[in-house]
Amino acid sequence: DAGVIQSPRHEVTEMGQEVTLRCKPISGHDYLFWYRQTMMRGLELLIYFNNNVPIDDSGMPEDRFSAKMPNASFSTLKIQPSEPRDSAVYFCASSSSLGLSNQPQHFGDGTRLSIL
Amino acid sequence: AQSVTQPDIHITVSEGASLELRCNYSYGATPYLFWYVQSPGQGLQLLLKYFSGDTLVQGIKGFEAEFKRSQSSFNLRKPSVHWSDAAEYFCAVGAQVLTGGGNKLTFGTGTQLKVEL
Repeated sequence: DAGVIQSPRHEVTEMGQEVTLRCKPISGHDYLFWYRQTMMRGLELLIYFNNNVPIDDSGMPEDRFSAKMPNASFSTLKIQPSEPRDSAVYFCASSSSLGLSNQPQHFGDGTRLSIL
Repeated sequence: AQSVTQPDIHITVSEGASLELRCNYSYGATPYLFWYVQSPGQGLQLLLKYFSGDTLVQGIKGFEAEFKRSQSSFNLRKPSVHWSDAAEYFCAVGAQVLTGGGNKLTFGTGTQLKVEL
């Protein structure tokens, strides 16, 4: 079975540029999560969706960050304009609410973002 | 709000030795607890989970964890470590959210495991 798929795996861009990260959740999962991982702050939840609707975006650091989920099989996280302090690994995860509650989240391999 | 503490940032063990990684949580209700492992350049892989019932849970790769409510702990154990177990390990607690159900995870800061041959 295909897991959570993220693209690109690596992104290097200059400060001020727009960055778009992509995620395809596991088919049938109705929850999608975006995380950021840094050495200083560890794993932080940025935003999560349920049935394509954003539920909690309190972790989004600034208005420069935005996330969308136009359909059940695709989500984007966009940073515009990007800054060097946005450099991190960004993970997407998905989970299902069917059956038992609190199904585990399944993670993609992440996008390593470097802003020069 | 829930929180997770992993008091050991780094742990080094010899191959074949036993392993215990500590995890303490804070949560006002019955916790949903998880252990994940992250290898370099990879995402997080679920090792095991605890929802209810038997407090000793078995996971993949020979790992197990024991939920101790009185100590607010969920320590991860393995009787004999293999060199391939070298990775970073994260403990997480899940909260049942009200909107739409499902879970929202809070992660610990991770424990980096080094295995000496």
